[in-house]
Amino acid sequence: DGGITQSPKYLFRKEGQNVTLSCEQNLNHDAMYWYRQDPGQGLRLIYYSQIVNDFQKGDIAEGYSVSREKKESFPLTVTSAQKNPTAFYLCASMGAGPDLYGYTFGSGTRLTVV
Amino acid sequence: QQPVQSPQAVILREGEDAVINCSSSKALYSVHWYRQKHGEAPVFLMILLKGGEQMRHEKISASFNEKKQQSSLYLTASQLSYSGTYFCGTEERGATNKLIFGTGTLLAVQP
Repeated sequence: DGGITQSPKYLFRKEGQNVTLSCEQNLNHDAMYWYRQDPGQGLRLIYYSQIVNDFQKGDIAEGYSVSREKKESFPLTVTSAQKNPTAFYLCASMGAGPDLYGYTFGSGTRLTVV
Repeated sequence: QQPVQSPQAVILREGEDAVINCSSSKALYSVHWYRQKHGEAPVFLMILLKGGEQMRHEKISASFNEKKQQSSLYLTASQLSYSGTYFCGTEERGATNKLIFGTGTLLAVQP
C-alpha cells in the first residue's frame, strides 16, 4: 500500500543535540512538507519541497534544516539552535496537477527534550 | 498569518448538526478540510477549488466563498465517529500547493 512512513514514532533529545526525523513516501508525490504541531496552535509549516534538490522555508524554519536528495525522502534535522523543540512533527506529501486528494500525512514523530 | 477558525470547540449529541467556519485575511486559491483524531495524523476530508464550490464527504459538506475569503464545514446528523479536531488549510493565490492551517476546532459528539 502507498503511504508515508515517519520514524521514529517517539524521540528523546538531550539539550544541545541534533536529531534527524525520517520521512519516506512511496506515492510518487512531488511535493513534501514538514509541519510542527503544538497544543492549541494547529499545524505550522517548517519547510517544504516541490521538487528534488529544492526546498523553501516555511513560517518557522529557524533551528531546523532539511534535504531533498531523492523524491521519496525528506528528512528533517532539529538542530541545537531550536530552543523549544518539544512537539509533534508531521510529514506530508501531495501530488502535482489537479490533485483532489489533498495532503497525505505520516503518523508523526513525537519529540521530547530531556 | 493563520486562518481563524470558529468555534474553538463544540459539543454535540448524536444526530445534531454543527457548522465550523474558517476565515482568511489573504486571497485564496483553495481551501482544504482535515479531521484529526487524538494522537493520530490528520486525514483529508475535501478540497474546495473555486468560489461557491460545495463538496461533500459522507454527511459532511463544505462551501467556499472566495470573495469573503471564507469557508464553512457543515456536519449534518453527527455520528460518534465525527469526533476529533477539524482543521482548515488554506492555499493562498500565488503560493501553489503550500497550505497554512487554522488553529483547529475540537468537536466532541456524545451519545
